[in-house]
Amino acid sequence: ETGVTQSPTHLIKTRGQQVTLRCSSQSGHNTVSWYQQALGQGPQFIFQYYREEENGRGNFPPRFSGLQFPNYSSELNVNALELDDSALYLCASSLAESGRETQYFGPGTRLLVL
Amino acid sequence: GDSVTQMEGPVTLSEEAFLTINCTYTATGYPSLFWYVQYPGEGLQLLLKATKADDKGSNKGFEATYRKETTSFHLEKGSVQVSDSAVYFCALSRGATNKLIFGTGTLLAVQP
Repeated sequence: ETGVTQSPTHLIKTRGQQVTLRCSSQSGHNTVSWYQQALGQGPQFIFQYYREEENGRGNFPPRFSGLQFPNYSSELNVNALELDDSALYLCASSLAESGRETQYFGPGTRLLVL
Repeated sequence: GDSVTQMEGPVTLSEEAFLTINCTYTATGYPSLFWYVQYPGEGLQLLLKATKADDKGSNKGFEATYRKETTSFHLEKGSVQVSDSAVYFCALSRGATNKLIFGTGTLLAVQP
C-alpha cells in the first residue's frame, strides 16, 4: 500500500509569484485535504476535495485554490504569494465512508517566500 | 466554534519517566479525537484515535481516553524513550468535511 506523497519537498519563491504543490493520495482513498502549518503552530485547514469537487473550505482567501483529478491526486495553487504564505503545506488523504474517517498525512512541502 | 487546547511545552523528561500531555476540546456533538506526532522535519503521523465517549486509543505504549464529561483526551505513556522526542498534536474532527482542528502542539524532549 502506497502512502501519501507530496512534491516538491522544498520550494523557494518570491513575493507575487504563483506556486503549485502536488499530492498523491494513499491507495484506495478518495478524499484529499490540504493544511497550512506555520512555524511553531498547529496545521490549519485550507480546503478539502471529494470526487473532484471542493467539499469545504477554511478561512483562506480565494488566491488559494485547488484541483482534484480522476485518480484522486490533487494540486494546491497559491497566487500572488505573500511573505506570510511561508509554511509547511500538508496534504492528507482519507476514504469517505462513515463520516469518522481518519486522515493520513504526507511529508509536506516546505514553501519559503522571499 | 470548535477548538482544541493542549498544554504548552516544552516538556522535558528523563528516559523511562511517565508522560502526560493534557488536551481539552470544545465542540458540539460528538467529535472524533486524535493524537498526531511530528518528528523533526517530517509530516504528521497518526499516533492514536478514539471516535466515541469512553473509547481508549492506544499505540506504541501511548494511551488516551475520550472523556466526554471533562471534554478531555489526555495522552499518557508509562515509560518514555529518547526516540519519543517529537511534537505531539491533539486534534478533533467533526461535521461533513471531517476537517481536523488542531491544538498548537506540545514539544516533548526526552533526555538519556
